[in-house]
Amino acid sequence: ETGVTQSPTHLIKTRGQQVTLRCSSQSGHNTVSWYQQALGQGPQFIFQYYREEENGRGNFPPRFSGLQFPNYSSELNVNALELDDSALYLCASSQDDEQFFGPGTRLTVL
Amino acid sequence: QKEVEQNSGPLSVPEGAIASLNCTYSDRGSQSFFWYRQYSGKSPELIMFIYSNGDKEDGRFTAQLNKASQYVSLLIRDSQPSDSATYLCAVGGDSWGKFQFGAGTQVVVTP
Repeated sequence: ETGVTQSPTHLIKTRGQQVTLRCSSQSGHNTVSWYQQALGQGPQFIFQYYREEENGRGNFPPRFSGLQFPNYSSELNVNALELDDSALYLCASSQDDEQFFGPGTRLTVL
Repeated sequence: QKEVEQNSGPLSVPEGAIASLNCTYSDRGSQSFFWYRQYSGKSPELIMFIYSNGDKEDGRFTAQLNKASQYVSLLIRDSQPSDSATYLCAVGGDSWGKFQFGAGTQVVVTP
């Protein structure tokens, strides 16, 4: 167990809807990164939050947005869902370059 | 485009043998290198990391890094059926926590 938790575990949405995924980081970790992992692929970096500020972003459109709260928990919001957004969404908390993943949220867009 | 390349496999390894996994990366500025194991339907779990050229051993696992050749490898000694998983190579860049992952190598350990 890494101490990183994510909710919900599974989610089914329809195209065009909006979704919010949540992550609680490991105790003492002030940095949270979000990744998208499509089936058969490696995780792709979406963005990172450090002390409530966005600290880097991968090649994802603006409809992917996020927040980090004072307790370092985080949210990933995706607007206008597309079929290709179906994936495992992973949250990772890090300190000193070691990064530990939560169990992930499986999002299915129909 | 920064890239991390791995052979997709599957790599079939007899129980008790050594599994050898390879990873190449394109960004010469990369500073940190990680190996994750991912079981089907689960999230990646950290096996080990390496920052300096040479070998680093942790139990049955050995990571090898050659920055001049932009190459990192993972050896799994005395492979067990429980080692059957997908192994992901991750490369950290100029800022920690922002990893670039390869697509993973599937390892199948046969009894």
